[in-house]
Amino acid sequence: DIQMTQSPPSLSASVGDRVTITCRASQVISIYLNWYQQKSGAAPKLLIYAASNVHGGVPSRFSGSGSGTDFTLTISSLQPEDAATYFCQQSFGSGRTFGQGTLVEV
Amino acid sequence: QVQLVQSGAEVKKPGASVKVSCLASGFTNEDMHWVRQAPGQGLQWMGRTNPSGSRTTHSQKFQGRLTMTWDTSTNTISMELRDLRSEDTAVYYCARESYEDSGNYFDHWGQGTLVTVSS
Repeated sequence: DIQMTQSPPSLSASVGDRVTITCRASQVISIYLNWYQQKSGAAPKLLIYAASNVHGGVPSRFSGSGSGTDFTLTISSLQPEDAATYFCQQSFGSGRTFGQGTLVEV
Repeated sequence: QVQLVQSGAEVKKPGASVKVSCLASGFTNEDMHWVRQAPGQGLQWMGRTNPSGSRTTHSQKFQGRLTMTWDTSTNTISMELRDLRSEDTAVYYCARESYEDSGNYFDHWGQGTLVTVSS
């Protein structure tokens, strides 16, 4: 199975800060990497697909980059509504795996 | 408009089985996946299926305990987990996977179904 390692596990930042979350795959996964946001008690929501494509309706302050094994989710200017847990997920091969999540406090 | 509506919460005893359903509307052909989340934990992929069952596969962690089916007459996808243990207590989600040339991703999720396993 492909393992996904996210860091940091949690972070606290202020409104307007630039926030970066990283995700590393245990093997090369090309750009088959997605990012989700999950707020308490709700289902995850897709933010970024194929490493750098912003899903429809997602604010432009969210961006993704990377390929191969190393990926990054960036929030350019953190807003109060961005308080949530963020997960990366690989879609390479037949199975799917998620990172452990990063809790973002604002 | 794509919608995924899941069945309600369940309470089961250890060793029992549970079946969670996901009524899909607005599409008929994409793969459907099941993902679970134990209390306070991360997301765990369980498996996937498609309308014909030809692409059904699951995580080895659920070997022998998990069955996923798709009733095409009602467009309802079901997940049955057998021989339940306390560690199976979790919220179970169905999720649709969409495909593009650039990649594949879960773009729609059900609201989640809480399954509690307790004696």
